[in-house]
Amino acid sequence: KQEVTQIPAALSVPEGENLVLNCSFTDSAIYNLQWFRQDPGKGLTSLLLIQSSQREQTSGRLNASLDKSSGRSTLYIAASQPGDSATYLCAVSPEYGNKLVFGAGTILRVKS
Amino acid sequence: SQTIHQWPATLVQPVGSPLSLECTVEGTSNPNLYWYRQAAGRGLQLLFYSVGIGQISSEVPQNLSASRPQDRQFILSSKKLLLSDSGFYLCAWSPPRLEGYEQYFGPGTRLTVT
Repeated sequence: KQEVTQIPAALSVPEGENLVLNCSFTDSAIYNLQWFRQDPGKGLTSLLLIQSSQREQTSGRLNASLDKSSGRSTLYIAASQPGDSATYLCAVSPEYGNKLVFGAGTILRVKS
Repeated sequence: SQTIHQWPATLVQPVGSPLSLECTVEGTSNPNLYWYRQAAGRGLQLLFYSVGIGQISSEVPQNLSASRPQDRQFILSSKKLLLSDSGFYLCAWSPPRLEGYEQYFGPGTRLTVT
């Protein structure tokens, strides 16, 4: 059974700092990995999707990497801003099917 | 562009009452549709998914059910709510492919069972 773990559970940083969020999964037989952002009381916004054949994806100040063999992904946020404050969720999709398995998330607070 | 709607946005229901949550998608055809629940202090849990009209797969045995009466409409129901049904319910869609692909989420429905 696939399990996804995100570390740290919560993170508080000053504005401008570069930061890394970690995601690990127990079964390396994945099709893709997706990072989401969730603001309080809101739905999920897709940030980055990495196919299993890819090593990384970039969007603006965000960079996500994937090491499928070791079961790890990281989300790098450059020059953090207060508007980045949210919960960040990692989810993996199995090789067959669309059933995403989510981690519990990292609550990020960027202080101005 | 594609849009996903959910309603109601919030709902307070007594134990034992029925439930109907609706999700609709615009701007795409034959999407895969999903219902997730996010309980307080817990991660997202997949409840149901559908690859076509009338085709529903259940992931978690419970007193909830799902239906897909139209291509872009997905409904979550219950005949009698339990306190444990409280949570944040999210609907999502993905393009009509068999293998994993990017999922897009709706704004969610906050359900409180009293």
